[in-house]
Amino acid sequence: GESVGLHLPTLSVQEGDNSIINCAYSNSASDYFIWYKQESGKGPQFIIDIRSNMDKRQGQRVTVLLNKTVKHLSLQIAATQPGDSAVYFCAENFVGGGADGLTFGKGTHLIIQP
Amino acid sequence: GAVVSQHPSWVICKSGTSVKIECRSLDFQATTMFWYRQFPKQSLMLMATSNEGSKATYEQGVEKDKFLINHASLTLSTLTVTSAHPEDSSFYICSASPGQIGNQPQHFGDGTRLSIL
Repeated sequence: GESVGLHLPTLSVQEGDNSIINCAYSNSASDYFIWYKQESGKGPQFIIDIRSNMDKRQGQRVTVLLNKTVKHLSLQIAATQPGDSAVYFCAENFVGGGADGLTFGKGTHLIIQP
Repeated sequence: GAVVSQHPSWVICKSGTSVKIECRSLDFQATTMFWYRQFPKQSLMLMATSNEGSKATYEQGVEKDKFLINHASLTLSTLTVTSAHPEDSSFYICSASPGQIGNQPQHFGDGTRLSIL
C-alpha cells in the first residue's frame, strides 16, 4: 500500500542550531498530518499537526510546512536543545476515509551535538 | 489532558503463553482505539482498530485469532497475544483520540515491550 517516507534516517545538529526534518507522503488523499517525537522506550509524543487546507503551522519552537503539490511535509525545530534528541515520525491520515489509524513514516533520528 | 496508559510496560514470558495488554484512556472516552506494533529501529505499523462494542478491524496480514482485541468500555481496550512465540516479540503501542478522528491528534500510550523466550 501507499506509505509515508523520510529522506534522512539520521540528522546531527549542533545545539542551538535549527533543524529541519523532511517527509514525503504518497497518498494524495491524505488530509491530516501529524509529527510525533519518540524517545527511547516510550510511545510517540504529539508535537504538531496540520490539515491539508493549510500550508504552514507554528507552535512553540516548531513549524510544520506542507507542500501538497509535491506531497512533502517538513518539521522545523528552532534553537535545538539536548532534549530534542529523539526519533521523529511524520504520520498521515485520510480523515474522509473514516476512523482509520495513522500511517507512519520511517522516522528520523535527530542527534543534538553539544 | 488526553492521557493514554498501557499496562504492563514490559513482559517476559515463555513461548506458548498468552499475554494480555491493557490500554486505557485516563481522562477521556474513546469509542475507537488503535493498536500498533514496532520492531527495533523501525516505524510503527498499524495492526488493528479497536471499536467499543463491536468487532475490531484488522489490517491486512494481521491474524485476528492470534491478536485478540476486546474493547468492552469507552476507556479500555485489551490486546491478547495468544500462544506467543519469539517472532511476536515486539513493542506494542496503543493510541486513542479524545475527539473525532482527524479533528484531534491521536495520543499514544508508552507501549508494552513483549519478549518471548
